[in-house]
Amino acid sequence: DTAVSQTPKYLVTQMGNDKSIKCEQNLGHDTMYWYKQDSKKFLKIMFSYNNKELIINETVPNRFSPKSPDKAHLNLHINSLELGDSAVYFCASSQTADYGYTFGSGTRLTVV
Amino acid sequence: AQSVAQPEDQVNVAEGNPLTVKCTYSVSGNPYLFWYVQYPNRGLQFLLKYITGDNLVKGSYGFEAEFNKSQTSFHLKKPSALVSDSALYFCAVRGDYTGGFKTIFGAGTRLFVKA
Repeated sequence: DTAVSQTPKYLVTQMGNDKSIKCEQNLGHDTMYWYKQDSKKFLKIMFSYNNKELIINETVPNRFSPKSPDKAHLNLHINSLELGDSAVYFCASSQTADYGYTFGSGTRLTVV
Repeated sequence: AQSVAQPEDQVNVAEGNPLTVKCTYSVSGNPYLFWYVQYPNRGLQFLLKYITGDNLVKGSYGFEAEFNKSQTSFHLKKPSALVSDSALYFCAVRGDYTGGFKTIFGAGTRLFVKA
């Protein structure tokens, strides 16, 4: 049973398209996150939700919009994709800030 | 502002030798510190954390880390390295954030263990 699952694992799309990445966790955690890992492996937080409420919204373009229909799901929608959006996007969850995160296996997005 | 630094891009060690991966941090208030490991094409895996208590914390796969408040460091250690420990290691610190919290990751240190 996968604890944090992301779909799709790979996503290749053309510039200008709109795409979504889905994330689900079955751990009963209250908080979920989206991180972006660039080609140099640097990890940057994008968003965090606690029990469906947005609590962290870093400086990311408005083209990125998270949605959390319930506390087990956090999806990421990206409009008008650009070449610079190519990266690996990781979803993660945690029970509280005191606990470590459980990460999904990542979604490799390639914009051509 | 919170920050975390991993001063070494890469650490090379021979199998069976002790290893250390360095991490220093800056955070207001008491630090919450973490180490994660990432294998190729995988998500990060939690190794260990320091919240409070004993300065030496033990984690998964035989790893441990030492919290040093005066040096603001949280170095990852293992007494005897294995080839299978070769991976990318991330130090992370939790800081305060208005209305919530966020965890900041270091740039990562690639560990190579040679047989």
